[in-house]
Amino acid sequence: AQRVTQPEKLLSVFKGAPVELKCNYSYSGSPELFWYVQYSRQRLQLLLRHISRESIKGFTADLNKGETSFHLKKPFAQEEDSAMYYCALSGRDDKIIFGKGTRLHILP
Amino acid sequence: DTGVSQDPRHKITKRGQNVTFRCDPISEHNRLYWYRQTLGQGPEFLTYFQNEAQLEKSRLLSDRFSAERPKGSFSTLEIQRTEQGDSAMYLCASSLVGEEAFFGQGTRLTVV
Repeated sequence: AQRVTQPEKLLSVFKGAPVELKCNYSYSGSPELFWYVQYSRQRLQLLLRHISRESIKGFTADLNKGETSFHLKKPFAQEEDSAMYYCALSGRDDKIIFGKGTRLHILP
Repeated sequence: DTGVSQDPRHKITKRGQNVTFRCDPISEHNRLYWYRQTLGQGPEFLTYFQNEAQLEKSRLLSDRFSAERPKGSFSTLEIQRTEQGDSAMYLCASSLVGEEAFFGQGTRLTVV
């Protein structure tokens, strides 16, 4: 069964400090992993996907198949990073399954 | 085409009534997804379509829920005999196969 686990409901980080949002997944195969973000009063939108291997808004995520993880990282947090972050997985059937989300709160 | 649109944005209904929501995807997108989101939770998969074909319906979804995409363009989600537990945000998303999913702003349902 496909499953995405985000162990932290809330993460508070000081501005300028590093950020790491954890994501672990369960899938028997080679999934595609995503991070979606939802800023206040905006719709859910894609932040990045593992196959693109891009850095978006300073965020990166590396797929670790051994640890079945896809943690989201940013070296220096900015106040505008405050948002809800959702890790998501898509398998062979293209069905997208989301984790429960982590609220990132950047402290001034 | 400004993206995925959902109608209505808000719906308040009495318990036991039927409700129907509409989703208009991005025009060339062949995949369409429905999700439900309650406070403090991530989007919960309900069902999805490839053009007009419904590919899967979540086993967690009761028979009171039904979705259609009759011409492979817009989709409707109907909830019959609504219950208070159906109160949630209902999200629609669309994509090309294997590509990024774009979300609508959602329909917030309140069952009183």
